[in-house]
Amino acid sequence: GAGVSQTPSNKVTEKGKYVELRCDPISGHTALYWYRQSLGQGPEFLIYFQGTGAADDSGLPNDRFFAVRPEGSVSTLKIQRTERGDSAVYLCASSSGAGGPADTQYFGPGTRLTVL
Amino acid sequence: AQSVSQHNHHVILSEAASLELGCNYSYGGTVNLFWYVQYPGQHLQLLLKYFSGDPLVKGIKGFEAEFIKSKFSFNLRKPSVQWSDTAEYFCAVITNNNDMRFGAGTRLTVKP
Repeated sequence: GAGVSQTPSNKVTEKGKYVELRCDPISGHTALYWYRQSLGQGPEFLIYFQGTGAADDSGLPNDRFFAVRPEGSVSTLKIQRTERGDSAVYLCASSSGAGGPADTQYFGPGTRLTVL
Repeated sequence: AQSVSQHNHHVILSEAASLELGCNYSYGGTVNLFWYVQYPGQHLQLLLKYFSGDPLVKGIKGFEAEFIKSKFSFNLRKPSVQWSDTAEYFCAVITNNNDMRFGAGTRLTVKP
């Protein structure tokens, strides 16, 4: 596709529920990143995939959060037992993976998650 | 742990004024440095990046940034801002582990 897409654009859920957020990276990009952005803050790194594997998940805040990328393209971020503090914009980015850390990351529009 | 500091939370300028947004990072090893911009209602997009070579980096829309290793800084500059530069600007650092750290952002408002 032309850019990174994320669905849904908005998600409202109740405390304690389970949610899934989806990211479609740019076609051919092997690297995929998830970030969380709270109001008034910069994006906060959550997890990085190279292909199908999570190369770095050190940013996941706790075991309620996990992400998968089973075929090396689309990724799903899953949040169990949501809490009000999980409310934020969840951003996905992808890069070609060829240049390592110097690669440009291309960001999607984000999913705004609101936990009531 | 590495961190990124952006000194100004909100900057207000008139058109044609010069701009400098500060960014400092705390990491002693090899770094790659980025400035991203988010225009109202749009995605984050890359303005410019530094990964090696000339420490003065030129980006899109007349922006430039200078990497000063001794000061751990990567300040963003533009000689003459336009109303269309109104946006939020984020400095970011990435090291060898692909873990990108962003600053809190600086909101720039340019008055016509």
